Parts: sequence; C-alpha cells; structure tokens
Amino acid sequence: AQTVTQSQPEMSVQEAETVTLSCTYDTSESDYYLFWYKQPPSRQMILVIRQEAYKQQNATENRFSVNFQKAAKSFSLKISDSQLGDAAMYFCAYRGRNSGNTPLVFGKGTRLSVIA
Amino acid sequence: KAGVTQTPRYLIKTRGQQVTLSCSPISGHRSVSWYQQTPGQGLQFLFEYFSETQRNKGNFPGRFSGRQFSNSRSEMNVSTLELGDSALYLCASSNTLRESPLHFGNGTRLTVT
Repeated sequence: AQTVTQSQPEMSVQEAETVTLSCTYDTSESDYYLFWYKQPPSRQMILVIRQEAYKQQNATENRFSVNFQKAAKSFSLKISDSQLGDAAMYFCAYRGRNSGNTPLVFGKGTRLSVIA
Repeated sequence: KAGVTQTPRYLIKTRGQQVTLSCSPISGHRSVSWYQQTPGQGLQFLFEYFSETQRNKGNFPGRFSGRQFSNSRSEMNVSTLELGDSALYLCASSNTLRESPLHFGNGTRLTVT
C-alpha cells in the first residue's frame, strides 16, 4: 500500500521569507500524481499544486513550487515570499494512475505559521 | 461555478443515533469521494462514487454507507454512532476518476456525545 510521510508536524516562517515543507512517499507504481493541498481554518482543502510523475519538470504555481525527486520518492513544497494568508495546514497527497480506482492518500500534514 | 457544497456544516448527535450528510459536487463532476479527518488518524478515505456506482471503499465498518444520485449528489450515512465517529467529514468531487485533482467542500463537523 502507498504511504505518504510528512516529517514536520509544524513549521514557521517570517513574512516575505521562503519555507520548504517536506514530503516523502512510498509506492511500487511508476506512474502517479502528487499533490499539495492547503487547509486554512475555514476547513476547505484547497489544491496548491499538482505534479505528474512522468513529467520531469517541477511544477510551479506563482509563489509555490515543488522539488520532485522521483528516485528518492521525495516531493517538497517551497513557498516563496511567504504571506500571512499562507498560514494553514499543508497536506501532501498521492494518487496512483494505473492501478485501478485508488483513492487519494494523504500525509498527516504540516502546520505552517507565518510570523509578521 | 459553484464549488462543492456540504450540508450541514455542524452536527451534534448522541451515541447510538444515525446521521446523514449531504454533498453536492461541482456542476459537471461525476465522481464524489468522502474522507474522514481526525486529529489522530488524519485524512482517511471512506468511499468513492462515480455515476451512481461505488468504485472504491476504504477500511471502515459497515455502519458507514453512502450513495450517489443521478444528479451526482451524494449522501453518506453513519448508523449506530460511536464517540469515535466524531470528526470532520470532507467530500470532494472531480470530473473523472483519476485524471483530475479533487475539489473539496468545507466539510461537516460531526460531534457525537
């Protein structure tokens, strides 16, 4: 079974600085999707960024970028120019592409605080 | 386009009762998934429906059930509630089974006393 591990339960960053959230995963599949979701106090899970495993280029969405290391099964999220609104729980998630109707598998999350 | 709508937002129930939660997906989305979120266990997959058929089921007891209607709206039911069922229940929709990311609702916070 696939597993996703986020080793940092909590992180903090100064406003305007850069922070990196770690995520590792375990799978025997070769083709899959990886996601980062943000969950603010409003509780809604918001998709931050998505990476397809067969694409070598790291995904980027404005201030958010990932460092995808397929061989190491690592998928970290970098937030540049951190803003107060970035404070939230961040979840890394995995979904297989070819192994049937597999559900999204989430890590335990990292709580990010942004200090003004 | 309206997002995923979950009702109610909050529920308080007593042990032994049953509860029904509702989820309306984004218009045009045919896949609906349900997740349970607790501080201890994190996000755990309950089930997934596509075109009124259950396509996948997580490792939850039979007290947890769901269904999907022809308009893609989904309900989940929990019978004989236990204290441990207290959680945030999140619904998510997508327009295919695997290709697109899930879009989540705001969740229903269930408290069992």
